[in-house]
Amino acid sequence: GQQLNQSPQSMFIQEGEDVSMNCTSSSIFNTWLWYKQDPGEGPVLLIALYKAGELTSNGRLTAQFGITRKDSFLNISASIPSDVGIYFCAGLVSGSARQLTFGSGTQLTVLP
Amino acid sequence: DAGVTQSPTHLIKTRGQQVTLRCSPKSGHDTVSWYQQALGQGPQFIFQYYEEEERQRGNFPDRFSGHQFPNYSSELNVNALLLGDSALYLCASSHQGSYEQYFGPGTRLTVT
Repeated sequence: GQQLNQSPQSMFIQEGEDVSMNCTSSSIFNTWLWYKQDPGEGPVLLIALYKAGELTSNGRLTAQFGITRKDSFLNISASIPSDVGIYFCAGLVSGSARQLTFGSGTQLTVLP
Repeated sequence: DAGVTQSPTHLIKTRGQQVTLRCSPKSGHDTVSWYQQALGQGPQFIFQYYEEEERQRGNFPDRFSGHQFPNYSSELNVNALLLGDSALYLCASSHQGSYEQYFGPGTRLTVT
């Protein structure tokens, strides 16, 4: 089946720094979603991307749908302590009945 | 506006037993998907229900079954529990016309 490679696996950054993470696949996806999960909770939808090349922002978060449709990127600007958590990318394959394929996650730690 | 709710929050079962988990979708949503999330991994798709029928199934054995009711709520049943079934079970709801899935807080299942 499809696999999503998400990197980095973990990040330690100083408060105020910008963060970048990405997701790559050997398969084409026609939708990319980015989620954040806090300990003991379900993933929360941050951004949805529907077109190759699309750049979408949600506050300090910006995500891009790669031109090849095989990758996506998430940037967080001016990180704050509440950004701590695990960030997951998820892709939908063309023709799928909306089955999400998830990456393995990026654990973000923000140091004061 | 209530989000996705799941019950119970936590559950401890013995190997070989059966378990039923419940999910109520977000208001206005008609599609329910179930995911299994093992510790340290991204969620894995189990199956999706729409119009009270299983629309798509992931790579899970027949021990995993489900149901959707006329009010769109859903149940996940797992028979003959194995130690490896210990995980966080997540329910996600969406509207038929949308790719965006919204997750509940999950049910933590421990099999001893």
